[in-house]
Amino acid sequence: EPEVTQTPSHQVTQMGQEVILRCVPISNHLYFYWYRQILGQKVEFLVSFYNNEISEKSEIFDDQFSVERPDGSNFTLKIRSTKLEDSAMYFCASTLDSYNEQFFGPGTRLTVL
Amino acid sequence: AQRVTQPEKLLSVFKGAPVELKCNYSYSGSPELFWYVQYSRQRLQLLLRHISRESIKGFTADLNKGETSFHLKKPFAQEEDSAMYYCALSGGIQGAQKLVFGQGTRLTINP
Repeated sequence: EPEVTQTPSHQVTQMGQEVILRCVPISNHLYFYWYRQILGQKVEFLVSFYNNEISEKSEIFDDQFSVERPDGSNFTLKIRSTKLEDSAMYFCASTLDSYNEQFFGPGTRLTVL
Repeated sequence: AQRVTQPEKLLSVFKGAPVELKCNYSYSGSPELFWYVQYSRQRLQLLLRHISRESIKGFTADLNKGETSFHLKKPFAQEEDSAMYYCALSGGIQGAQKLVFGQGTRLTINP
């Protein structure tokens, strides 16, 4: 059964550094999402992406964040200059149709020191 | 504003006992409600959605628009039901329905 994959599973970085989190959505899916979960808090929506552009973004998704689908398979989240408060679990999700079930990846744990 | 509230962070019941995980929501339009589950060391996965009105692994959930609730129920809990349960609401702009999650409830089934 196809699954969403994410790499790396754990990323440790220094404050101020750039990080790129990678996701490979399910191949025929059209809608892509990033969510994050700070330890002990709820899963929060960051951004949705469709037809090669951002559909919606949350207040969290400021100028430090960007997303890209560079090659038709990968879907990346870039944080330009990481802050301590960016430490969280980042989940990628995809769906064929926005009214269908969203399939989640296993997550990338980002630790900013 | 879209909001999902799960009042219980932790819930512990004995095997064979009924279980109910509470979920209340706030949404101005017609909501679509989901329950997602995360078993230990596994990814988030859909358990059920109100629109399908089916029972999955013995769980059911009824959307009550009057009480703005979508509680998850199972008459006889099993040890393998121990997991983190998230209630979620689908909303956002047409064509890119983001999920709004509740805080989650950690359910522990005691033998």
